[in-house]
Amino acid sequence: EIVMTQSPATLSLSPGERATLSCRASQSVGSNLAWYQQKPGQAPRLLIYGESTRATEVPARFSGSGSGTEFTLTISSLQSEDFAVYYCQQYKNWPLTFGGGTKVESK
Amino acid sequence: VQLVQSGAEVKKPGESLKISCKGTGYKFPAYWIAWVRQLPGKGLEWMGVVYAGDSDTRYNPSFQGQVTMSADRSINTAFLHWTSLKASDTAMYYCARRAPLAGDSFDIWGQGTMVTVSS
Repeated sequence: EIVMTQSPATLSLSPGERATLSCRASQSVGSNLAWYQQKPGQAPRLLIYGESTRATEVPARFSGSGSGTEFTLTISSLQSEDFAVYYCQQYKNWPLTFGGGTKVESK
Repeated sequence: VQLVQSGAEVKKPGESLKISCKGTGYKFPAYWIAWVRQLPGKGLEWMGVVYAGDSDTRYNPSFQGQVTMSADRSINTAFLHWTSLKASDTAMYYCARRAPLAGDSFDIWGQGTMVTVSS
C-alpha cells in the first residue's frame, strides 16, 4: 500500500497570502495524484487531478505541481472560502490512499 | 449531476444495515462508484468501488469481508451493506463517482451518510 504523507498538518495564513501544501508518496505514483478540498460539514470536492489539471469550475488560483513522490498544491492568494482541509490522493495503485490532510486556517 | 445518499442511521452492535447512493443527471450504469469512510474528526479512507453497470467490485483489503458493495442499475442506486455492525463502524460514509478521463479520482460526491453504532 502506498502511504501518502501531507505537511504541514496545519497552515495558519491570512487572506491574500500564498498557501503551499505538500504531499509525499512512499513510492512513485507518477502523475496519478489528485487534490480535494473539504469544508466542515461538507463532502470533499475534487480540485486537481493528474497532478496539475484543475477540475471543472475550480478557480485558477489553485494549482498543482510535482511528480513521482513529491507534490505541491498552491493557492496563490487565499480567499475566505479557501479555509478548509485539503487531502491528496494517489491512484497509481490499489488500494487508493489519501494523505492525512492539511488544515488551512485563518490567522 | 449529483449523488444523493440515504439519511443518517443509528444502530446497535450486531445489527445489519444497508445505505444507498442514488445517481441523477448522468448515465449511472456507465460509471464506477466508490465508497469512502471518514471516522469522526479523521481523514478519508477508500473502501472500494463498484461498477454501477454490473456490480463488479474491487475492495480495499482493509475492508474486504467487512462490507458488501452492490448496485442496481434499474434504479440508478449503489449500496453499502453490513451484516453485523460494530461500534468501530461509527463514521461518515461518502459515495463518489469515478471521474471520466481522470484516472481513479472522484468528481461527484454524495452528501454523506452518518452511521452511528452504539448500544
